[in-house]
Amino acid sequence: DAKTTQPPSMDCAEGRAANLPCNHSTISGNEYVYWYRQIHSQGPQYIIHGLKNNETNEMASLIITEDRKSSTLILPHATLRDTAVYYCIVRVENTGTASKLTFGTGTRLQVTL
Amino acid sequence: EPEVTQTPSHQVTQMGQEVILRCVPISNHLYFYWYRQILGQKVEFLVSFYNNEISEKSEIFDDQFSVERPDGSNFTLKIRSTKLEDSAMYFCASSDQAPNTEAFFGQGTRLTVV
Repeated sequence: DAKTTQPPSMDCAEGRAANLPCNHSTISGNEYVYWYRQIHSQGPQYIIHGLKNNETNEMASLIITEDRKSSTLILPHATLRDTAVYYCIVRVENTGTASKLTFGTGTRLQVTL
Repeated sequence: EPEVTQTPSHQVTQMGQEVILRCVPISNHLYFYWYRQILGQKVEFLVSFYNNEISEKSEIFDDQFSVERPDGSNFTLKIRSTKLEDSAMYFCASSDQAPNTEAFFGQGTRLTVV
């Protein structure tokens, strides 16, 4: 089962920042926090991941609390194209073997005009 | 940008028939996965594959399912005798090394069993 808790849905006005929270209170020391999104029925798309430091890339920022029990994905200027289901996933780091992703139900983000 | 390619995009098959879903992972990737998503439900892990063998499989991946990397570029999922409940989107994914890197997903094959 998924080890994360996310709100089922959120709304965001276009141009504003979208802040998507995720609780992962049972995260282990060797587990990373990954964020993916799924637009309509397309294949999941990788957004960002981190272990304990905050991360930023061209798509988003990831803020992880110091105790690592929760995180927030930030889309700095949401557009209509960001409307999707966003998944927060904790994934164990395995060496030399494939490591699966366990998807929950995610947060459905609706960006509106 | 390199991408994972899946064919066909939509497959309709009769119950009891065998189907093969095909995937071309990103060329330098080493780890391969199949996931499925029944309409309106979560994305579910089926199987992972590394070094020409299955690394892990879920309870869904029973004896009716098999995977193969026949020629070093394709990665296939075979369902031997399809059931109505196999109707779903099937996603292939690949990653270049398991720890600390992202998996790239294809656009999926919609399988409809009638």
